[in-house]
Amino acid sequence: QKEVEQNSGPLSVPEGAIASLNCTYSDRGSQSFFWYRQYSGKSPELIMSIYSNGDKEDGRFTAQLNKASQYVSLLIRDSQPSDSATYLCAVNGSGGSYIPTFGRGTSLIVHP
Amino acid sequence: DGGITQSPKYLFRKEGQNVTLSCEQNLNHDAMYWYRQDPGQGLRLIYYSQIVNDFQKGDIAEGYSVSREKKESFPLTVTSAQKNPTAFYLCASSIESGIIEQFFGPGTRLTVL
Repeated sequence: QKEVEQNSGPLSVPEGAIASLNCTYSDRGSQSFFWYRQYSGKSPELIMSIYSNGDKEDGRFTAQLNKASQYVSLLIRDSQPSDSATYLCAVNGSGGSYIPTFGRGTSLIVHP
Repeated sequence: DGGITQSPKYLFRKEGQNVTLSCEQNLNHDAMYWYRQDPGQGLRLIYYSQIVNDFQKGDIAEGYSVSREKKESFPLTVTSAQKNPTAFYLCASSIESGIIEQFFGPGTRLTVL
C-alpha cells in the first residue's frame, strides 16, 4: 500500500513568516510530486509540481524534493492570510502508474 | 473559457436511491477521474478513464458506476449499494494518461437524508 503522510496540523504562522509544510512517501520509485491548495469547501488547485531532487521556486512558493529521504516539502515565504488553506501532497506511483496518491493534507493558518 | 464543470453543486438523496453526478470538461483532456473526499481525509480514487469507452476501478469503486461515452463527459452514478455515500465528490482531468498534473472541477457535495 503506497502511503503519503502529512502532519494534519493546524500549522499556525504569523503574517510575513515562512510556512514549512512537509510530506513523506513510502514508494521509493515515485517520480512525480505535487502540491495542491484547497480552500475550505472548494476543490484542490495545483500550485507546484517537482520531478527532480532539489528546489523549485515559483513566486513565494518553493518545493523541495529529497528522493533519498523520500521527503518533499513546500515553503511559503511572506505568508499572507489568504494562504490559509489545506495543502495536499500528491505522489505518483512507480512502474508506470500515473495515478497519484494523496496525503490527508496539512491545515495552514496565517494570522495577522 | 476552458475548464471542468460539475453539477449539481449540492445534492440530497434519500436512502435507496441512485443518483448521477455530472462532470464535463472542454480542455480536450484524455484522462478523467472521480475522487471522494471525507472530512479530514485525503482524496480517494473511485474510478478513472484514460480514453473514451474505457475505465478502471480505483481504490473504492464498490457502490459506484461510471461511463465514458464521450471524451468530454464522465458521469458518476452513486448506487443504493454504496452504504455511506455522504461526501464531497471531485472530478478531475489530465491532458493524457502519462501526464498526471490534474485539474479539478468545483465538486459536488452529496448528502444522504
